[in-house]
Amino acid sequence: DSGVTQTPKHLITATGQRVTLRCSPRSGDLSVYWYQQSLDQGLQFLIQYYNGEERAKGNILERFSAQQFPDLHSELNLSSLELGDSALYFCASTGSLRDYGYTFGSGTRLTVV
Amino acid sequence: AQSVTQPDIHITVSEGASLELRCNYSYGATPYLFWYVQSPGQGLQLLLKYFSGDTLVQGIKGFEAEFKRSQSSFNLRKPSVHWSDAAEYFCAVGAHGQFYFGTGTSLTVIP
Repeated sequence: DSGVTQTPKHLITATGQRVTLRCSPRSGDLSVYWYQQSLDQGLQFLIQYYNGEERAKGNILERFSAQQFPDLHSELNLSSLELGDSALYFCASTGSLRDYGYTFGSGTRLTVV
Repeated sequence: AQSVTQPDIHITVSEGASLELRCNYSYGATPYLFWYVQSPGQGLQLLLKYFSGDTLVQGIKGFEAEFKRSQSSFNLRKPSVHWSDAAEYFCAVGAHGQFYFGTGTSLTVIP
């Protein structure tokens, strides 16, 4: 157990639907990162939050949004889902880049049918 | 812009043989460098990291990596591979609070 918890582990939904992925960072970590991993795109950085505020944005679609709550857990919202959104979505947390590097959760596998 | 290149998409080695996975990066200064391993259906696990100092870094599971500034490389090595090392390996560069991952190298270990 890495200390980063992601739920659900698996999600199957239909095109056009909306889903929410949840991430609880490792205890004490303030920064949460979301990544998408697909076969054709590899690991793509989506977005970073630090202590409740958005800090960096990567290749995140406008249909996707995220937030980090006061208890530091984060949610990634995916809407108007398309078949191409099927992927593994990882959350990672870090307290300090110098001390820890990333700690990854085990991911949520999203399948859009 | 920062980038990470893992030139080998797939490598096959025999159990007990030595292993070297290549990683090259592009960055204006010395970045933070990492190697992660991902087993099927699992998240990424940190093997080792380099920030500064000794250019030969020891990690978990018997892995080591050497930072070579002149070659902008951070290759991962293991003297004797075990069947359980079969997985996907990712090199990453940390800069400006973000990570940039390579496309990964898939390792197959044959008996």
